Amino acid sequence: NAGVTQTPKFQVLKTGQSMTLQCAQDMNHNSMYWYRQDPGMGLRLIYYSASEGTTDKGEVPNGYNVSRLNKREFSLRLESAAPSQTSVYFCASSEGGATNEKLFFGSGTQLSVL
Amino acid sequence: KNQVEQSPQSLIILEGKNCTLQCNYTVSPFSNLRWYKQDTGRGPVSLTIMTFSENTKSNGRYTATLDADTKQSSLHITASQLSDSASYICVVSAKRGNNRLAFGKGNQVVVIP
Repeated sequence: NAGVTQTPKFQVLKTGQSMTLQCAQDMNHNSMYWYRQDPGMGLRLIYYSASEGTTDKGEVPNGYNVSRLNKREFSLRLESAAPSQTSVYFCASSEGGATNEKLFFGSGTQLSVL
Repeated sequence: KNQVEQSPQSLIILEGKNCTLQCNYTVSPFSNLRWYKQDTGRGPVSLTIMTFSENTKSNGRYTATLDADTKQSSLHITASQLSDSASYICVVSAKRGNNRLAFGKGNQVVVIP
């Protein structure tokens, strides 16, 4: 039972480069999320998708775009990476909304922007 | 201002001993409170979820308590094991329906033999 799978696990980018973080879940969940985790801070919501075909901004959406490709997959794109985007990124999913449902997290992507 | 404050920030305990982690929150209106365990290099994994009416919930050697009146929660680890070394994150949900959760910074626990 894979749960939530993220790729890649590690990535190093130069400032200005672009990349896409991939996320897939096999639990038939409706909602999916992208969080970032920085040292000394709690997880912060970047974007979420409450259901297939919808996406909404979270707390820190600037510099990111997302695509809910289908019910299983939710990708996060950095169009022009900046050093401030150095972080650990987590994808998560839940059956319903995060407010009432348990979140299932992927194992994370460690991103460094030089 | 962070709506979820956890203490202590970090602690070291001997294997076999008990410990208690604290979480204070200001999130309102309150919906539920969760505790997650995050091993180094992994994503958080849910331990417990408690609603307003629940005072205590256990998951094996982990017992969470909630006092919604004082807006405090604790996570008690009994007979700690080396595998309990992790960050424990308190997460509070408000009744806003906007999928926003308030995450604490975590309690870093190190269990030594």
